[in-house]
Amino acid sequence: ETGVTQSPTHLIKTRGQQVTLRCSSQSGHNTVSWYQQALGQGPQFIFQYYREEENGRGNFPPRFSGLQFPNYSSELNVNALELDDSALYLCASSPGPRDGSMGEQFFGPGTRLTVL
Amino acid sequence: AQSVTQLGSHVSVSEGALVLLRCNYSSSVPPYLFWYVQYPNQGLQLLLKYTSAATLVKGINGFEAEFKKSETSFHLTKPSAHMSDAAEYFCAVTTNTGNQFYFGTGTSLTVIP
Repeated sequence: ETGVTQSPTHLIKTRGQQVTLRCSSQSGHNTVSWYQQALGQGPQFIFQYYREEENGRGNFPPRFSGLQFPNYSSELNVNALELDDSALYLCASSPGPRDGSMGEQFFGPGTRLTVL
Repeated sequence: AQSVTQLGSHVSVSEGALVLLRCNYSSSVPPYLFWYVQYPNQGLQLLLKYTSAATLVKGINGFEAEFKKSETSFHLTKPSAHMSDAAEYFCAVTTNTGNQFYFGTGTSLTVIP
């Protein structure tokens, strides 16, 4: 059974650029959540996708957007990068909020984004 | 709205001593509560979760946590610390819809030999 994978591992961008981060969910999971973890902080919920639809969103501006594909993999897109977007971006997959495994989120290793 | 507060951003214990990491939650509806561990340069791993069944929850690696509604707490304990327990620990809360998760700011555990 393959776990949650994320790519790339590290990324360096400049302010104003756009970035796409990718996540492959664990086999059998139809829900993907994205988090931003700034240095020394806890993960902050960005949004969740359930069966290709957005299923909840945290307090992040619209320049943070996402997609979920039919195979339940997911992308996080960030436009107009700002210096404060520098963080570890974590993806987590789960069987689904309505599938009886509440909160059983499995995290990937993250993508470290640095904005210069 | 839901939130969690972790008291103590850094905790140090001696090897073999009791580990106690504190978490208090705020929730307007019955919460689901979790503890995760994060090792350097890795993602988060679920230690244990409370989902309204038994109030004393046992997790992996000898950790357990007790849900106390009257104190709005979900503290994490381990009777005897091991060097391998040194890591960052996060408490998190969600509701029964499961589409919004809130993490605490984390507690860094150091184990002194």
